[in-house]
Amino acid sequence: DTGVSQNPRHKITKRGQNVTFRCDPISEHNRLYWYRQTLGQGPEFLTYFQNEAQLEKSRLLSDRFSAERPKGSFSTLEIQRTEQGDSAMYLCASSLARGAVYNEQFFGPGTRLTVL
Amino acid sequence: AQSVTQLGSHVSVSEGALVLLRCNYSSSVPPYLFWYVQYPNQGLQLLLKYTTGATLVKGINGFEAEFKKSETSFHLTKPSAHMSDAAEYFCAVSEKSGGYQKVTFGIGTKLQVIP
Repeated sequence: DTGVSQNPRHKITKRGQNVTFRCDPISEHNRLYWYRQTLGQGPEFLTYFQNEAQLEKSRLLSDRFSAERPKGSFSTLEIQRTEQGDSAMYLCASSLARGAVYNEQFFGPGTRLTVL
Repeated sequence: AQSVTQLGSHVSVSEGALVLLRCNYSSSVPPYLFWYVQYPNQGLQLLLKYTTGATLVKGINGFEAEFKKSETSFHLTKPSAHMSDAAEYFCAVSEKSGGYQKVTFGIGTKLQVIP
């Protein structure tokens, strides 16, 4: 197991274009999270999945953002009609939920999005 | 609502000197607390965590942190800085929210190690 992977690592796009990022979690992990990290800030929670169900979405996730995890394995994050303010690092994390015990979130390397 | 305050967005220390990165938190329930490290263009790696039990927590790479409830603090220390410690460090707090552990991060502290 090589940990959480994200593709692409870098994406440059023009304003108004759509982009899609992929996250492959650690194989046995049932929870998957997306975060956004802008320059000089810590990661901010966007959304999370338990298996294929999207259970919570932050108000940061505008209508232009959509995330899926169709088979409870990999996940995609799509941004439609990108804006310059979407430029950020998008981080994915996964964890294995075990009841009430805290389960560490393992982070991927991130996808850095630049919107021109 | 939970929050984290990291005092000092940039900290410089000489190689071999003590590293002290400050973190204060706010939480309505007993928190889980974490320190993560991020190297340039990489994801976050967990350094250490406090959940319950001993308040002095030891992590990887010689780092440790002490949970002080009375001071709502979770400062990160390392007795002797190494050049490889240069990175950005994030303190985080977690509370159970809607069935999962919601993690809130601080803005980060960039550690510079001067030879």
